[in-house]
Amino acid sequence: QVQIQQWGAGLLKPSETLSLTCGVHGGTFSAYYWSWIRQAPGEGLEWIGEILHSGRTNYNPSLKSRTTISVDESKNQFSLKMTSVTAADAAVYYCARYPNYLDSSGHPFGLDVWGRGTTVVVSS
Amino acid sequence: DIQMTQSPSSLSASVGDTVTITCRSSQNIDRALSWYQHHPGYAPRLLIYAASTLDRGLPSRFSGSVSGTVFTLTISGLLPEDFATYYCQQTYSAPRTFGHGTRVEVK
Repeated sequence: QVQIQQWGAGLLKPSETLSLTCGVHGGTFSAYYWSWIRQAPGEGLEWIGEILHSGRTNYNPSLKSRTTISVDESKNQFSLKMTSVTAADAAVYYCARYPNYLDSSGHPFGLDVWGRGTTVVVSS
Repeated sequence: DIQMTQSPSSLSASVGDTVTITCRSSQNIDRALSWYQHHPGYAPRLLIYAASTLDRGLPSRFSGSVSGTVFTLTISGLLPEDFATYYCQQTYSAPRTFGHGTRVEVK
């Protein structure tokens, strides 16, 4: 049973850098994109970006200039850094797993395992 | 970027009802569409991927279908635990955009 545990600072001041990490327990680390998603209060889910074990990344263009996703395959961990946070970055941040392979019919899977979420508050 | 237009934004229903939620993609995404259920305070849960494949362990009252660029989630015979917010997500290409969500509320 794969589990994702996430941790990081939950209270930031404007202009600081958000830093969160997820650790993966069980399963194969290399077969997946490791993803970050957030939900601001009263809003829907927003896809932030993803990383392969190789370090290949994809980002949401609206956040790309401030966002870095990194991976440490030796520890089965991946991390999110977001610089210059503002109140608009206050949200619950989730990490999740997205298979980097197709199903038997040749179609992609979905985000099938999620962390429990970390609430990030931005306040001066 | 691929845009996902989800409707309705909310709906009211009763236990036992059948509800339908729709997502339209701004371009062809083949069958690369997933549906998630999200209860407040919990992580989202994958319901369906590849437009119509039920994730393991999910009850068959959830079903998905596709016609062109229009994707549909149907919940047949609502149970109390089904009152939640539902999201679609295209997994065709990055950025893997979500729809804005549909809140299913108790009538």
